[in-house]
Amino acid sequence: EAQVTQNPRYLITVTGKKLTVTCSQNMNHEYMSWYRQDPGLGLRQIYYSMNVEVTDKGDVPEGYKVSRKEKRNFPLILESPSPNQTSLYFCASRGTGATEAFFGQGTRLTVV
Amino acid sequence: AQSVAQPEDQVNVAEGNPLTVKCTYSVSGNPYLFWYVQYPNRGLQFLLKYITGDNLVKGSYGFEAEFNKSQTSFHLKKPSALVSDSALYFCAVRPPTSGTYKYIFGTGTRLKVLA
Repeated sequence: EAQVTQNPRYLITVTGKKLTVTCSQNMNHEYMSWYRQDPGLGLRQIYYSMNVEVTDKGDVPEGYKVSRKEKRNFPLILESPSPNQTSLYFCASRGTGATEAFFGQGTRLTVV
Repeated sequence: AQSVAQPEDQVNVAEGNPLTVKCTYSVSGNPYLFWYVQYPNRGLQFLLKYITGDNLVKGSYGFEAEFNKSQTSFHLKKPSALVSDSALYFCAVRPPTSGTYKYIFGTGTRLKVLA
């Protein structure tokens, strides 16, 4: 089954404790992206990747890092999480051309 | 600035009635247009897209959307709503610039279908 898998689904952490949210897709997609979803703001893109070792900032990249060492994986790293990064995070992937995106089930992160 | 507007935070409709969820955009060129649906505790699921051609596109679960270039709108419609259609709906636009993976999402419209 074609899918995007994120882990963990839920995470509560403390300010400043580094964390990684993993994302993996099994569709051999070139493009992968991270979004955060906040009430009233919709989805905002954090980072995206066009292929292995090629990444770029989205609209709200501050406080986040990503890497794309393998085509299937695109982890999101918060080096020093802060409470304003409490949010619902989604990973997405898509192929080339005018194709739709496939989304993971989301990671609800709370930073206290 | 490029933007997508979903003017209604919530739309209520009775089961069996037609529904419309509105979306307008401000993007230069001929963007790709998408609708996604989000059920509780789930990721976004693709419903339909407009790339080119017929202004009325059909998608999953009986939904359709009408593209209007002069009004820069892409409204989502369904002739007869079901209670199970209750969810959060997002309109998204992808500008036509090649090599970009830039989706612009609206803020979402919560659809409530009342039995």
